Amino acid sequence: NAGVMQNPRHLVRRRGQEARLRCSPMKGHSHVYWYRQLPEEGLKFMVYLQKENIIDESGMPKERFSAEFPKEGPSILRIQQVVRGDSAAYFCASSPGLRDRGDYEQYFGPGTRLTVT
Amino acid sequence: DAKTTQPPSMDCAEGRAANLPCNHSTISGNEYVYWYRQIHSQGPQYIIHGLKNNETNEMASLIITEDRKSSTLILPHATLRDTAVYYCIVRVARNNRLAFGKGNQVVVIP
Repeated sequence: NAGVMQNPRHLVRRRGQEARLRCSPMKGHSHVYWYRQLPEEGLKFMVYLQKENIIDESGMPKERFSAEFPKEGPSILRIQQVVRGDSAAYFCASSPGLRDRGDYEQYFGPGTRLTVT
Repeated sequence: DAKTTQPPSMDCAEGRAANLPCNHSTISGNEYVYWYRQIHSQGPQYIIHGLKNNETNEMASLIITEDRKSSTLILPHATLRDTAVYYCIVRVARNNRLAFGKGNQVVVIP
């Protein structure tokens, strides 16, 4: 059973370009989360999505960032007009959704390291 | 979600049990305790979670005090590969985000 897949693992973009990060959740998981880890800092929640729906985007920067999780295919985190401050590790996690008890765990992918030059 | 307090760092001897403490004195009745770890710059790894009963799996044991204000993660036989930042997170079931704090940098020493 494959884990959470993220690609690319490393991405280099020049300032002003667009970055697209992809995440394929674990088989059977319908919930996807994106987190960002800036250099020497902790992990920060960005957005939580279910298929075709954004559930919680309270951690997303107001501009230039967007996320989607279409009915078919991977979840995409899109960063437009990247700036040097966007350089970070971006982690995706997936979960099977809420169980009857309401508890569940999130499984993380290996991350995408974005470097903006 | 309730806030947690962990020591910033600790050393553990290889082959011995590692006991990682976490305080969550403001935890609510419907909040779970989750443990994750991050080895170097890899993706966080789920370890274990619990509500009020002690839990055990192939990786670790989780001991939650009766008043649920603190818990201990036990790695039964620490190895060098257990060196990582360990995060104790308290979260209600309805809130799906994980709030990572600074964690506890655990170093396993040969």
